[in-house]
Amino acid sequence: EAGVVQSPRYKIIEKKQPVAFWCNPISGHNTLYWYLQNLGQGPELLIRYENEEAVDDSQLPKDRFSAERLKGVDSTLKIQPAELGDSAVYLCASSSRGHFTDTQYFGPGTRLTVL
Amino acid sequence: ILNVEQSPQSLHVQEGDSTNFTCSFPSSNFYALHWYRWETAKSPEALFVMTLNGDEKKKGRISATLNTKEGYSYLYIKGSQPEDSATYLCASPVPINFGNEKLTFGTGTRLTIIP
Repeated sequence: EAGVVQSPRYKIIEKKQPVAFWCNPISGHNTLYWYLQNLGQGPELLIRYENEEAVDDSQLPKDRFSAERLKGVDSTLKIQPAELGDSAVYLCASSSRGHFTDTQYFGPGTRLTVL
Repeated sequence: ILNVEQSPQSLHVQEGDSTNFTCSFPSSNFYALHWYRWETAKSPEALFVMTLNGDEKKKGRISATLNTKEGYSYLYIKGSQPEDSATYLCASPVPINFGNEKLTFGTGTRLTIIP
């Protein structure tokens, strides 16, 4: 069974440029998560989808971040414009139902560097 | 405790020795405690999901225990091997406002096995 796929793995951009990350979850998983992981910290939830509906986006900085999950499968996370402080690892995860007892399966992440 | 905390932050262990580290979490409204292993440049790998007080789970040389009444879990590694070098993350739901919780990760324990 294929795991969670993310691309790109690495991205270097200059500040004020836009950037987008793509995630393909495990087949059949209804719940998809985007996390932000800063150096020395644990992953922090940005947004959670149940199918195509964003059910928790309270931690997403909506002035510059946006996300979509068309047809309830793949998802894209966008930053426009990027700031220096956005340099971090962006992780995507999926789970079958989204309950706290469900295992979340993670992709390898996208390491973003903003210069 | 109001957050998920892990200790120690980092650990160096001689190959062949056994080791353990701690995850503390809010004991009220407990749902589950997750352990992940995250090797550099790879996806975080799910180790255990624990839900019952007194639960003990094992996967090869790695085991974990859970005390939901006092809010802590221990992860044990027996006979450490170089491939055990990784960051070990735990996660548990934390209340963010009345009636609402968020799965929160600790900052991790970075384990280095010395050959």
